[in-house]
Amino acid sequence: DAGVTQSPTHLIKTRGQQVTLRCSPISGHKSVSWYQQVLGQGPQFIFQYYEKEERGRGNFPDRFSARQFPNYSSELNVNALLLGDSALYLCASRAAPGRVNSPLHFGNGTRLTVT
Amino acid sequence: SQELEQSPQSLIVQEGKNLTINCTSSKTLYGLYWYKQKYGEGLIFLMMLQKGGEEKSHEKITAKLDEKKQQSSLHITASQPSHAGIYLCGADDNFNKFYFGSGTKLNVKP
Repeated sequence: DAGVTQSPTHLIKTRGQQVTLRCSPISGHKSVSWYQQVLGQGPQFIFQYYEKEERGRGNFPDRFSARQFPNYSSELNVNALLLGDSALYLCASRAAPGRVNSPLHFGNGTRLTVT
Repeated sequence: SQELEQSPQSLIVQEGKNLTINCTSSKTLYGLYWYKQKYGEGLIFLMMLQKGGEEKSHEKITAKLDEKKQQSSLHITASQPSHAGIYLCGADDNFNKFYFGSGTKLNVKP
């Protein structure tokens, strides 16, 4: 079975531009979440989606938005890119969110560089 | 908000030595997950602990959750170069958010 897939793997953008990152969950998983990881730190939670609805949002500005499609894949959009948005963006899927025996399964991430 | 503190931040051990990584939570944990990450790559799920006092093992890695469910430890026995990487603990909070510790970077010297 395919794991979580993310595209693209690498991306270089200029300040002020917009970017869209894509994620396909493991088959049967209905929850997708997004994380930002800067060098030397643990991943920071951005969004969680379950059954196409936003279920949780981290402390990120409104420039960050996401959505989940009927096939449970997801997109993360970042507008008006800043240098500080350069990071590894990770997507994870799980069968269901919350306090259940449902670990997150991660993709290999998208490395975003903003120049 | 949930906070997870990991210690040590980094660790260098000689191959064959044992080591322990700790994860302490500011709140009671309802589920604690351990992950391993190789540099610049995605996270690999290792183990999940839910009950106070629970202990799980996989190959040479053992994870425990204390009775009060606010601290977890990850113990590696007879470390090997393949154990090198970043170890992260993570947990759900009550608001559909998932938090990670800052990670412990492990190097194993052959």
